[in-house]
Amino acid sequence: QSVLTQPPSVSAAPGQKVIISCSGSRSTIGHNYVSWYQQFPGTAPKLLIYDNDKRPSGIPDRFSGSKSGTSATLGITGLQTGDEADYYCVTWESSLSIFGGGTKLTVL
Amino acid sequence: QVTLRESGPALLRPTQTLTLTCSFSGFSLSSSGMCVSWIRQSPGKAPEWLAVIDWDDEKYYRTSLMTRLTISKDTSKNQVVLTMTSMDPVDTATYYCVRTIYSQSRYSYFDTWGQGALVTVSS
Repeated sequence: QSVLTQPPSVSAAPGQKVIISCSGSRSTIGHNYVSWYQQFPGTAPKLLIYDNDKRPSGIPDRFSGSKSGTSATLGITGLQTGDEADYYCVTWESSLSIFGGGTKLTVL
Repeated sequence: QVTLRESGPALLRPTQTLTLTCSFSGFSLSSSGMCVSWIRQSPGKAPEWLAVIDWDDEKYYRTSLMTRLTISKDTSKNQVVLTMTSMDPVDTATYYCVRTIYSQSRYSYFDTWGQGALVTVSS
């Protein structure tokens, strides 16, 4: 299965904005929806963004998603210390799902 | 309210077969667009998708593990079962049962996760 590439880590100060990238290919991100998940230690991942840019009910509008070509991004504005977590992008290729390697967000 | 719960053995010996059951509520796996996936996560690693079964009984498996995996459903019991043969210590992980949404003619996203079941493979 193909690979989705994320930066291993990003950091920013409280109140600032951070962008997490997810790079794929034409057959993965290029032809499929991207979703994003947030995971705190010891807990299951939680859906943040689906269908590239949609937020489930209950997810603050500080979280946003976008997709362009073979890449996708997750944006988080107004960073809070409670946003410190691992973030994963996910897409599909020929009905097989692929996870990115994950990005650890540190709020300094 | 959608909930999923995994059940199965916490400890397996190498070469044994893992059987995990996902019991869910709040949706029907016979409804169009409803699917259930199994996803595992080894300590310190990214989650790894294993398999999906949908309302039409279509099944897909992770390519590298497809010879070892079988996913099935019992719609009347609201259960999905995953079996994985020839377990090895590298298969030690938390295994999640996850509701998966199929929309606009494609598998889309994982909207509800179970709490996960830690499976340790050790002699």
